[in-house]
Amino acid sequence: DQQVKQNSPSLSVQEGRISILNCDYTNSMFDYFLWYKKYPAEGPTFLISISSIKDKNEDGRFTVFLNKSAKHLSLHIVPSQPGDSAVYFCAASGATGNQFYFGTGTSLTVIP
Amino acid sequence: NAGVTQTPKFRILKIGQSMTLQCAQDMNHNYMYWYRQDPGMGLKLIYYSVGAGITDKGEVPNGYNVSRSTTEDFPLRLELAAPSQTSVYFCASGSPRAYSGNTIYFGEGSWLTVV
Repeated sequence: DQQVKQNSPSLSVQEGRISILNCDYTNSMFDYFLWYKKYPAEGPTFLISISSIKDKNEDGRFTVFLNKSAKHLSLHIVPSQPGDSAVYFCAASGATGNQFYFGTGTSLTVIP
Repeated sequence: NAGVTQTPKFRILKIGQSMTLQCAQDMNHNYMYWYRQDPGMGLKLIYYSVGAGITDKGEVPNGYNVSRSTTEDFPLRLELAAPSQTSVYFCASGSPRAYSGNTIYFGEGSWLTVV
């Protein structure tokens, strides 16, 4: 049973525009949410996170929004750059941080 | 900047063989994890450890064993390899922090093919 879902396998965006990647979760006990970026043949790298006590966290061009009532989070990248082309995974964990549950990923292509 | 180091990077195994994937971290993290990623799928947790001497099963533990004798090392053992264990394996580590959760950091991955 997939507790974290990314329903869009791929997304294409023009350079300079906004990229919006979406993620839904089913477990209301999740307390902490993260986004990872992955290039081919490399391990996932941490991008940005948000605690359930917040609804927004910003780091440079990257902003994560959390809507707890809808069990939905999104990652906004503004402006998008060709180097952002990668697979993005969202992940969620409970308060203990013992286990992380990952979505299936969204492949972002930023077109120059 | 070693971070999380995995070896080997690539390995081909025959059905029924056994092997150990090595993982070491130099960030003094308490928590360590093993994930596998199959094509088109997300990462599935195999085993995790919250400290030396403590391990626990994740979502897909069958066919694997782990040990955690030191804070730094968390090897994953495959016994009697099967084609279903063909996958990419990622080791990760992290330490929970009050009010900011637990961010985990991944190694480069180990590509395993069972034929």
